[in-house]
Amino acid sequence: EVQLLESGGGLVQPGGSLRLSCAASGFTFSSYAMSWVRQAPGKGLEWVSAISGSGGSTYYADSVKGRFTISRDNSKNTLYLQMNSLRAEDTAVYYCAKDPIAAALPDWYFDLWGRGTLVTVSS
Amino acid sequence: AIRMTQSPSSFSASTGDRVTITCRASQGISSYLAWYQQKPGKAPKLLIYAASTLQSGVPSRFSGSGSGTDFTLTISCLQSEDFATYYCQQYYSYPRTFGQGTKLEIK
Repeated sequence: EVQLLESGGGLVQPGGSLRLSCAASGFTFSSYAMSWVRQAPGKGLEWVSAISGSGGSTYYADSVKGRFTISRDNSKNTLYLQMNSLRAEDTAVYYCAKDPIAAALPDWYFDLWGRGTLVTVSS
Repeated sequence: AIRMTQSPSSFSASTGDRVTITCRASQGISSYLAWYQQKPGKAPKLLIYAASTLQSGVPSRFSGSGSGTDFTLTISCLQSEDFATYYCQQYYSYPRTFGQGTKLEIK
């Protein structure tokens, strides 16, 4: 079955760090660019970061640049998001999402989403 | 960043109704537009890409149109399972941006 499963969310204090993981299955993970998209409680969707299939190209929203790092381990079919210097406004459900086109840069829409993991930044 | 504006933000309709949601881009995005459906507590689901191409498995009562800056999502005959929030997203340029969402509620 084609699926994405996020983990690693939780409660963290402002200024703290957290690492999210997204385990992929059912498709050739290394062929597809991947992204993280977040949704604050009761709010809309915000793209956060993207990475090419090889991991050689990464992209970030201005709101997280310099604080978050996206990476992937294609041998483990897993996507990561290292989040440092967390702020209250980073509180959200974080989804990993797959681009639809194999062997392409992350320039597309998202054809597969995980169920999300909740990150709460609060003292 | 390209700003995506949806209208209305919310509205009520009845099963069997034909409904149209509008999405406007702050600059031209050709046909690089997708539509998603999201139900409470669930991940978004891709409905349409390239402004008018139906994703595999999506019912044919959903359709999309438009190019440039103005786009529409139409549901031809609302079913009970269609009551949800709908988002448009542009992928013409970085950062990829979403509309604020349109919540479709039962009248």
